[in-house]
Amino acid sequence: NAGVTQTPKFRILKIGQSMTLQCTQDMNHNYMYWYRQDPGMGLKLIYYSVGAGITDKGEVPNGYNVSRSTTEDFPLRLELAAPSQTSVYFCASSGAAGANVLTFGAGSRLTVL
Amino acid sequence: AQSVAQPEDQVNVAEGNPLTVKCTYSVSGNPYLFWYVQYPNRGLQFLLKYITGDNLVKGSYGFEAEFNKSQTSFHLKKPSALVSDSALYFCAVRRNTDKLIFGTGTRLQVFP
Repeated sequence: NAGVTQTPKFRILKIGQSMTLQCTQDMNHNYMYWYRQDPGMGLKLIYYSVGAGITDKGEVPNGYNVSRSTTEDFPLRLELAAPSQTSVYFCASSGAAGANVLTFGAGSRLTVL
Repeated sequence: AQSVAQPEDQVNVAEGNPLTVKCTYSVSGNPYLFWYVQYPNRGLQFLLKYITGDNLVKGSYGFEAEFNKSQTSFHLKKPSALVSDSALYFCAVRRNTDKLIFGTGTRLQVFP
């Protein structure tokens, strides 16, 4: 089982550029999440989705967009990249909310210069 | 609003000694509590969770955690630390909602 797959693993962007971080899962999970991890700040929730066609904002959604056209895929779009978006991004999925455990991808390290 | 606090940025312990990584939470109602571990350049991995029932929860790699409702704490423990336990540990809380909220993480360093 591949679990949660994120691409790319590393990317350097110039200020103002745009890009999409890809996330796909093969566990038929309804719930998917995007987190960013900054040193000393833990993980902050950017966006999440409870099923295809449904998305909602997390704690830090500004500067990002998401879509969920299929159960498997949950891409994160960065428009007009800024240095403040330099971070490590993690995608995760779970079967449901409540006590369900999240399965994380390996992460995507993004640097904006 | 839900929140989680991990008061220690780093915990240092000698191999073979017991370890404790602290976590306190704030959530109305009955929480679901989790511990995750992150090894360098990897995603987070699930260690254990508390749902209901016995306050002492056992998880992977010999870790356990004690739920204390009166102190709103969920401290992670292990009787005998290993060098390979060195990693970043995250506590997380969820009520019966969609969002899982993480603490800021505690770096555990186990010295030989």
